Order: sequence, then C-alpha cells, then structure tokens
Amino acid sequence: GENVEQHPSTLSVQEGDSAVIKCTYSDSASNYFPWYKQELGKGPQLIIDIRSNVGEKKDQRIAVTLNKTAKHFSLHITETQPEDSAVYFCAASKGNNRLAFGKGNQVVVIP
Amino acid sequence: DTAVSQTPKYLVTQMGNDKSIKCEQNLGHDTMYWYKQDSKKFLKIMFSYNNKELIINETVPNRFSPKSPDKAHLNLHINSLELGDSAVYFCASSPGLGSLEQYFGPGTRLTVT
Repeated sequence: GENVEQHPSTLSVQEGDSAVIKCTYSDSASNYFPWYKQELGKGPQLIIDIRSNVGEKKDQRIAVTLNKTAKHFSLHITETQPEDSAVYFCAASKGNNRLAFGKGNQVVVIP
Repeated sequence: DTAVSQTPKYLVTQMGNDKSIKCEQNLGHDTMYWYKQDSKKFLKIMFSYNNKELIINETVPNRFSPKSPDKAHLNLHINSLELGDSAVYFCASSPGLGSLEQYFGPGTRLTVT
C-alpha cells in the first residue's frame, strides 16, 4: 500500500518566519494530497489540498507544491503566527476513499 | 452547527468492559470513517461505510464492530476492551464514493485501565 513519509518531525520557527514541511509518497498512482492541521485536543482539520494535475496551490499564507516526478509535496506557511502552532499531517490517496497519512510534524511558532 | 460530532469526548473504562462511541454528521455526506490515533499521533483507518454499507475494513480485531443505522451515523462498539485499545478515535465523513476530502470529528479519547 501507499507509504507516506514526513520530515522533519518537529519544526520550531520564529514568529514571522516561514515554515516548510516536506512529504514523500511511494505509490505513483496517488493523485490527491491533502494537508491537515491538528490542534491540541481537537480533530484534524483540512487546511489545503492539491490534485496531481496541479503543481502549486495557494490560500492566503499557506501553499502546497507537488512534484510528481520526485513523488514529494510540501506545505509552506509564510509569516507564521502563534496560532499556527499545531501538528500538521500530510496524506496521499488514489481516490479510493483511502487516505494514507504521514506521521505528523509538530510545528512550534516562537513569539 | 457542528459538522461531525462524536460522543463521548472522553471514555475511561476497565479492561474487559464493552463500550460504544457514537458519531453523527450533518453534512449530507454518504461516506463515513473510523480512524485510530495512537500515542505517537499516527492516524490509521479502521473502517469506512458508504450509504450504510461497509467498504473498508482494515485489519482490526473482531472485538471492534462498526454499525451504521443510516448514512448520517456511524457507531463503533468495542467488546472486551484491552489496554492496547487506549487511543483517540476519530470519526470522519466525505461526500461519497471516490470523493477525496475527508472531514474529521473532535475525537473520543478512550483510556482502558
């Protein structure tokens, strides 16, 4: 099955700086790549996603890039704020209702 | 106007007991899921139902039995609880078969003592 690797496991950034989280996937048939944000004590929240026919997608301070050849995709958060502190999960799917999740990244924004 | 809700939020019980977790979604979605998140935060799918029919059944002990009385509800019953069942269980939903976005509930933290 699909294997999704996520790096780094923990990322600390100064408020205002950018944060980048990278994920790699193994199954070239995967065509949907969402990112979820999980705050303490809450469920994962879908924050942005990208489909395989697109190389980049932006939504305000967050963006996702996809490199299908290299089988990796990244989440970029610009102008980080304390409320961006959370665990971020990447996932991949072949469109079969199955999401394979990475192990998550703890992002800490230092005020 | 909660989209995906779960009850209870916390569940503390002893080994050997039987317990249920309930999930409801008001998004009009056809597909619902149960995920388990372990102590290392790893999210793993357990089951999925589409319009009350089981479509995904991962390698989960038979002690876990999902039940979908209608497409807006998916409950999870666990028999003979074990210490290793302690985790956070998340319900999620998506519009339907082949649809991609999944929306998660707030989770139920199960602690087995």
